[in-house]
Amino acid sequence: DTAVSQTPKYLVTQMGNDKSIKCEQNLGHDTMYWYKQDSKKFLKIMFSYNNKELIINETVPNRFSPKSPDKAHLNLHINSLELGDSAVYFCASSPGLAGGTDTQYFGPGTRLTVL
Amino acid sequence: KNEVEQSPQNLTAQEGEFITINCSYSVGISALHWLQQHPGGGIVSLFMLSSGKKKHGRLIATINIQEKHSSLHITASHPRDSAVYICAVRSIIGAQKLVFGQGTRLTINP
Repeated sequence: DTAVSQTPKYLVTQMGNDKSIKCEQNLGHDTMYWYKQDSKKFLKIMFSYNNKELIINETVPNRFSPKSPDKAHLNLHINSLELGDSAVYFCASSPGLAGGTDTQYFGPGTRLTVL
Repeated sequence: KNEVEQSPQNLTAQEGEFITINCSYSVGISALHWLQQHPGGGIVSLFMLSSGKKKHGRLIATINIQEKHSSLHITASHPRDSAVYICAVRSIIGAQKLVFGQGTRLTINP
């Protein structure tokens, strides 16, 4: 069974569209994250939720809106997609609080290409 | 300058060689992580350190908190070790998010 899963794996779309990426973890973890990996392979935190509550919100355009319906799911909705949004988006989870020292478990990534 | 710097950025070696990847950071931290990103893109956590040394199979990670430096060593390297190795630190200030280095691309030739 996959611990952290993301759908879709690949997403190709036109500029200006709205799209969502879904993430689910079956590890019973309390904290979930969204990371963006750019073309230079740099990973950067975007958001973190603990038990459905937003705890980290980096300087991300408000076109990006995370939603956590329950602690096992953290979805990412992106409005009015731009070329610069093209990247690989990784979801991750960890057992405790984001400020703790727990190991994080990563999903397989979603490669988003905006044309 | 990034808060986390890795060296080298690229490393090519022959099978069997001893590999060292370095990570230096400039902030106070509560923990340091070493991650491995496979050629297919998946990311796996290898180690989490707050002091001393950890070993798992052929991998060894060390950290020197005073010098703000960590190393990842691979003994008896193998082509399947080819991957990008990423250092990340959890800052003790702010929201204690993970801050990542730029990664070290390791290629082990048979």
